[in-house]
Amino acid sequence: SYVLTQPPSVSVAPGQTARITCGGNNIGSKSVHWYQQKPGQAPVLVVYDDSDRPSGIPERFSGSNSGNTATLTISRVEAGDEADYYCQVWDSSSDPVVFGGGTKLTVL
Amino acid sequence: EVQLVESGGGLVQPGGSLRLSCAASGFTFSSYWMSWVRQAPGKGLEWVANIKQDGSEKYYVDSVKGRFTISRDNAKNSLYLQMNSLRAEDTAVYYCARAPAWTYFDYWGQGTLVTVSS
Repeated sequence: SYVLTQPPSVSVAPGQTARITCGGNNIGSKSVHWYQQKPGQAPVLVVYDDSDRPSGIPERFSGSNSGNTATLTISRVEAGDEADYYCQVWDSSSDPVVFGGGTKLTVL
Repeated sequence: EVQLVESGGGLVQPGGSLRLSCAASGFTFSSYWMSWVRQAPGKGLEWVANIKQDGSEKYYVDSVKGRFTISRDNAKNSLYLQMNSLRAEDTAVYYCARAPAWTYFDYWGQGTLVTVSS
């Protein structure tokens, strides 16, 4: 089945830019979706179809996807952005919905 | 406002059964694919099952095929997950989620905890 690889952790200072990667074989040919999950809460969709934002998600959140890597970029990081972030794709395999292992974003 | 409220979780012995429910409101339930996604304690997200708007298509992760059944009642705006032959590795918070394009999840419930233990 298809595998998505995320770094376990990313750290960034407030006001800086955080980049969280999601690696997969030719992931650029797939649509990538990103979720934010804060402790004890349900996931929230922050980017879908590589780079679209649901209503209510700040413009600081953006996405890109090319080759073997998709990236979630969070600009002007705030303390409230501290959370786990998961990438997700749909794949035409036996288990069609695939999540990455998640990345813990720490705001220093 | 879209709301998804899960219920039915609890403690069950290995080999036992449990039925989860998800009550939906704030949108036209019958127009959307719906899904169950789970998260084991301290672990990542794992998709469990999807069901088409009219219930005619259902898909499962390999690890639950033959044990779990997803269903829906559009008249009651409700989604269900019947879980049989439960194993310790099924222990997780189970989320109900709306899937607008089958392929991603735009709204999630708060989850219900299922613990499989003797």
